[in-house]
Amino acid sequence: DAKTTQPPSMDCAEGRAANLPCNHSTISGNEYVYWYRQIHSQGPQYIIHGLKNNETNEMASLIITEDRKSSTLILPHATLRDTAVYYCIALAGTALIFGKGTTLSVSS
Amino acid sequence: GAGVSQSPSNKVTEKGKDVELRCDPISGHTALYWYRQRLGQGLEFLIYFQGNSAPDKSGLPSDRFSAERTGESVSTLTIQRTQQEDSAVYLCASSLARHPEAFFGQGTRLTVV
Repeated sequence: DAKTTQPPSMDCAEGRAANLPCNHSTISGNEYVYWYRQIHSQGPQYIIHGLKNNETNEMASLIITEDRKSSTLILPHATLRDTAVYYCIALAGTALIFGKGTTLSVSS
Repeated sequence: GAGVSQSPSNKVTEKGKDVELRCDPISGHTALYWYRQRLGQGLEFLIYFQGNSAPDKSGLPSDRFSAERTGESVSTLTIQRTQQEDSAVYLCASSLARHPEAFFGQGTRLTVV
């Protein structure tokens, strides 16, 4: 499975868009990009996934570059409750392997 | 049940004792995962089940750790001769086969004293 690289931390003002980058330059053609988040003291929560097209759901949008070497998770209107560690994972099948993720701090 | 259930939620054990941690996945979910999360650290993959077979045991840290799964339901993670470094939250997740959305339980907080 492809290795992903994320910044260790990011800050965002409440109500603004949070754009979380992920680099997966070694991703192969059949590997999906998944995003999860972990709010303090809780188990991780699935957010969104994609292969090559941009995706949107009620939680977030996922923008994948045309060469698939990187992606961005967008939380359009961040709230205090979005403060969490966000994990970007690239894999094809089997188990989700979590890296260190990005700690997003949303402040008022 | 509505979600992944793990028991006990908290466990304090003496060093050298064996412990069993239980995970009840969402009904119908054929894939089941165990992770370990030490305080302030990321999630460490332990083992993955597809049905009752474990195609990937690569994350089990030592032969003191073992896991089994009955059919496509409950799984038990056993830690023998516990050590203080085993202290962590043990998380279980389940998903439909080859489905990207894994649902996590609230974890079992294990403290070895």
